Amino acid sequence: RKEVEQDPGPFNVPEGATVAFNCTYSNSASQSFFWYRQDCRKEPKLLMSVYSSGNEDGRFTAQLNRASQYISLLIRDSKLSDSATYLCVVNGNTGNQFYFGTGTSLTVIP
Amino acid sequence: EAGVTQSPTHLIKTRGQQATLRCSPISGHTSVYWYQQALGLGLQFLLWYDEGEERNRGNFPPRFSGRQFPNYSSELNVNALELEDSALYLCASSSGTGRSNEQYFGPGTRLTVT
Repeated sequence: RKEVEQDPGPFNVPEGATVAFNCTYSNSASQSFFWYRQDCRKEPKLLMSVYSSGNEDGRFTAQLNRASQYISLLIRDSKLSDSATYLCVVNGNTGNQFYFGTGTSLTVIP
Repeated sequence: EAGVTQSPTHLIKTRGQQATLRCSPISGHTSVYWYQQALGLGLQFLLWYDEGEERNRGNFPPRFSGRQFPNYSSELNVNALELEDSALYLCASSSGTGRSNEQYFGPGTRLTVT
């Protein structure tokens, strides 16, 4: 079983739509969680860390569900500029190793 | 503040040669991570350096090696290059271990092995 699994998509949504991505992880001892955004042929950029209590940054909301071992990212009022691949990242705690999901592709359509 | 920098941007080598990739972390960051991202695949963890020491390595053969210098910059060496080593190699830095250990990536080095 992979450490981190994501639905690869693609998700094609109209501007203004709300879209949600989920990501599951296998190591229950994982300590830290992140969402990154990666544009085509560019490096990943940190979107937000995910805290146990959930956190929000503008149109973006991240949630952590430890019991079910998944994290989620909700994007409200999608913009064309949100089109990218979204990577779920989990710190496996042992050896400070980070595990990246393969990414979920989002295209926002005018 | 300058971000993570990597050099070269592109590197073309032939099979069997050696490649050296370089990374400079964000000022104040002591940890450097190396990842391989092959076309269409996710990031695969290669190596983690902190305070000059190799702390962990991913599931890659020994011909992938590296080091971290006293100024925290790092070098990744790939010996006996194979065609499947063609990929984007990303370096990330962070301020250290801990629960909120956010990583910041450089623009990557695109290695092509012919």
